[in-house]
Amino acid sequence: SQQGEEDPQALSIQEGENATMNCSYKTSINNLQWYRQNSGRGLVHLILIRSNEREKHSGRLRVTLDTSKKSSSLLITASRAADTASYFCATAGGSNYKLTFGKGTLLTVNP
Amino acid sequence: DVKVTQSSRYLVKRTGEKVFLECVQDMDHENMFWYRQDPGLGLRLIYFSYDVKMKEKGDIPEGYSVSREKKERFSLILESASTNQTSMYLCASSLLLGSQPQHFGDGTRLSIL
Repeated sequence: SQQGEEDPQALSIQEGENATMNCSYKTSINNLQWYRQNSGRGLVHLILIRSNEREKHSGRLRVTLDTSKKSSSLLITASRAADTASYFCATAGGSNYKLTFGKGTLLTVNP
Repeated sequence: DVKVTQSSRYLVKRTGEKVFLECVQDMDHENMFWYRQDPGLGLRLIYFSYDVKMKEKGDIPEGYSVSREKKERFSLILESASTNQTSMYLCASSLLLGSQPQHFGDGTRLSIL
C-alpha cells in the first residue's frame, strides 16, 4: 500500500511565487525523501530528512517534518518556470530497504 | 555524479515475447531496484537486488524476473509480455538500503502490442 500521499495533486503558480506541497504518511519512518520528476524523465533526489530532524534547507528548498502529525512539507521559494515538474515524497520505514512513494504533486510554474 | 543508464528510452514489443530491460550504474552501488510507474498508481517496486546474484521481490513481482550477474548491471525480464505490462519502467541504485537516496535512470517507456 502507498505510504506517502501528496497534497495537492496539482498546483499552478506564477513565476516568483512560493510553492508548498505536503506529504502525509501512516506508519513510523526512518527518513523521508523528496524527489522531482520532469516530464518523461527519471526521478531526481532533492532532499532527505531523517526522523530526528525537523527542518532542512537546500538552496531554494525547505523541507519540514512533523513526526507527531506524520506529515512533511516541501517549500520551493521564488519559483521558476524550470521548477515545473512532478514532486514525490518517499518514506523509508522499519523494513529498512523499501522506499514507498506517493503519487506526486504536479507543479506548473507559469512564466 | 552517479549515472544510471537504461538501455532504451522507448521499446515496442508484441504480446508473448520475452523482453529484457537493462540497467547499468557506474557508482559501485550495492543496491539496485526496478520500478514501474503508471498514471494514478505512482511508483511500484517490482524487484530489488542487494548484491550480485541476490534479489528480493517487491510489491508487484508477478510476470517479471531479474538477473544480476555483475554488480553494475541489473536486468528486468518480462517472461511473456502482456498488454498490462505496458508502462514506464524505472531503474535505480543506492549505496545503502533505505537510508541513502536512490539514483534513477531516465526510464524505459515500454509498449506491448
